[in-house]
Amino acid sequence: QKEVEQNSGPLSVPEGAIASLNCTYSDRGSQSFFWYRQYSGKSPELIMSIYSNGDKEDGRFTAQLNKASQYVSLLIRDSQPSDSATYLCAVIRTYKYIFGTGTRLKVLA
Amino acid sequence: EAGVTQSPTHLIKTRGQQATLRCSPISGHTSVYWYQQALGLGLQFLLWYDEGEERNRGNFPPRFSGRQFPNYSSELNVNALELEDSALYLCASSLNGGASDTQYFGPGTRLTVL
Repeated sequence: QKEVEQNSGPLSVPEGAIASLNCTYSDRGSQSFFWYRQYSGKSPELIMSIYSNGDKEDGRFTAQLNKASQYVSLLIRDSQPSDSATYLCAVIRTYKYIFGTGTRLKVLA
Repeated sequence: EAGVTQSPTHLIKTRGQQATLRCSPISGHTSVYWYQQALGLGLQFLLWYDEGEERNRGNFPPRFSGRQFPNYSSELNVNALELEDSALYLCASSLNGGASDTQYFGPGTRLTVL
């Protein structure tokens, strides 16, 4: 079992729809959770961080954390073609950042 | 404020040679992380330095090594290069390596081994 798992996709959604990206992690001791976006050939850029159970909203993005079920998700509302990228989930555990392999999102115009 | 910088942008080496990659963190950050991202694969954690010390290491052979200088910049050395070392090498920095620290990434160095 991978420490951080994501569906590799591609996840295709029409423009204007809600894109839902999911991530599960194996270590209940995980403390902090991050979503990064990575365009092809570029470095990852932070979208959101979340540390406690519940939802956290920032513009069109909402991160959701459920520690009991060990999953974290990212919702993108009103998806735009410019949102097409790979989304990486990252989990901090005992001072080590662990990244998932990412979900490729394609927003269709 | 300047972000994380890396040099060189591209590096071409032949099998068996050594490669040196450099990273300068965001001003005020003491932690530097190195990752390898092979084509089509996820980020693989290589090394973490903080305050000049190696804090953690990923599952890579000893020919991957590095150091952090007093000004917190860092160097990654890869000895005896192999074809499969061809990848994008990303450096990230964070404030002090704390459990809630955010990592900020540099643009990467693309290493090609021929």
